Amino acid sequence: SQTIHQWPATLVQPVGSPLSLECTVEGTSNPNLYWYRQAAGRGLQLLFYSVGIGQISSEVPQNLSASRPQDRQFILSSKKLLLSDSGFYLCAWSPGTGGNQPQHFGDGTRLSIL
Amino acid sequence: SQELEQSPQSLIVQEGKNLTINCTSSKTLYGLYWYKQKYGEGLIFLMMLQKGGEEKSHEKITAKLDEKKQQSSLHITASQPSHAGIYLCGADPFFYGQNFVFGPGTRLSVLP
Repeated sequence: SQTIHQWPATLVQPVGSPLSLECTVEGTSNPNLYWYRQAAGRGLQLLFYSVGIGQISSEVPQNLSASRPQDRQFILSSKKLLLSDSGFYLCAWSPGTGGNQPQHFGDGTRLSIL
Repeated sequence: SQELEQSPQSLIVQEGKNLTINCTSSKTLYGLYWYKQKYGEGLIFLMMLQKGGEEKSHEKITAKLDEKKQQSSLHITASQPSHAGIYLCGADPFFYGQNFVFGPGTRLSVLP
């Protein structure tokens, strides 16, 4: 069966420091991959999605970037964190083929910026 | 762009009571998904609806999609404390789902 792993679970970082969050999927090939942010009291915001290695689409302009160095690995990064980057970050995957398919989520990373 | 609204924003019910959560779309839905999220955790996929008039059930949770495919409801029968959490609807505005969107969520509390 397919599983998705996301780490770390929590992270406290100072303003201006770099960021790297990692997400990996097991048990499937060529998945679509997604990064979302869920700010306190707000809904889920799609940040990036990827349909293949090296293919990244950004939904909103921001201080963050994403990369997909391997088929089942998705990384969210920042060179310099801002206070506004605080939030709950979720990685998700869906099958790359087969039309409408649900997304399946990792357990999330809670990022606090001090 | 596709937008989803949910009502109510929050809901407090006594254990054993039935409840309904609604999700309304500004555009026709090609796929409607219901998720549950416990605080500080990821989303758990509940059900997917694709056809107008479709209805699906899982344990005590039933989801329906209206004929026009612009509104969905999630109904919980005989609620239990384990049903507590945030329920979110999500939608595929495009066939391949690359621009998936979510509603703001409905926070459900079930009092024992």
